[in-house]
Amino acid sequence: DIQMTQSPSSLSASVGDRVTITCQASQDISNYLNWYQQKPGRAPKLLIYDASNLETGVPSRFSGSGSGTDFTFTISSLQPEDIATYYCQQYDNLLALTFGGGTKVEIK
Amino acid sequence: QVQLVQSGAEVKKPGSSVKVSCKASGGTFSSYTIAWVRQAPGQGLEWMGRIIPIPGIANYAQKFQGRVTITADKSTSTAYMELSSLRSEDTAMYYCAREDYTRHWFDPWGQGTLVTVSS
Repeated sequence: DIQMTQSPSSLSASVGDRVTITCQASQDISNYLNWYQQKPGRAPKLLIYDASNLETGVPSRFSGSGSGTDFTFTISSLQPEDIATYYCQQYDNLLALTFGGGTKVEIK
Repeated sequence: QVQLVQSGAEVKKPGSSVKVSCKASGGTFSSYTIAWVRQAPGQGLEWMGRIIPIPGIANYAQKFQGRVTITADKSTSTAYMELSSLRSEDTAMYYCAREDYTRHWFDPWGQGTLVTVSS
């Protein structure tokens, strides 16, 4: 299976800060990568697909980039409602979809 | 707009089986793939498998091969996930989600079903 390594596993930032999360694949996955937000007690929500495309209705402060093995997810200006855990997910291997371990974002 | 509603929480004994349902409304059930993803307490997300209602083909993650069965009933727009030989490590929230046919994202998701395995 393709391993997805997210870092950091948690972070604390102030409102208005720029937040960056990285996701590294164990092999080349082109741009076959999606990002999700999961708030406590809720199901995940799709934010970005194909590494850099913003899902309809998702605020523009969220963005994604990267291809191959290295990917970045950014919140340009952290808001209180962004407190959540964020996951990357690859779909290069369609019989073994895998997620990163998650990054918990907290407010400082 | 597709909505997925799952069955309620379950408490099971080790060695038994559990069957969780996921009823879809909105959209055309037979035209989309339903996936199952689980999340152990405090842990990350784990894809278990998917079913394509037409032609009724299911794929499973290797980890769950032989223990999981995913089915779909087109007449009631309901997908099912049955997990057998339960052990304590199977205690988790189980989610169904629509899996996009080409980009394999998961959206929307059901509300989740908590399965607790305890003697």
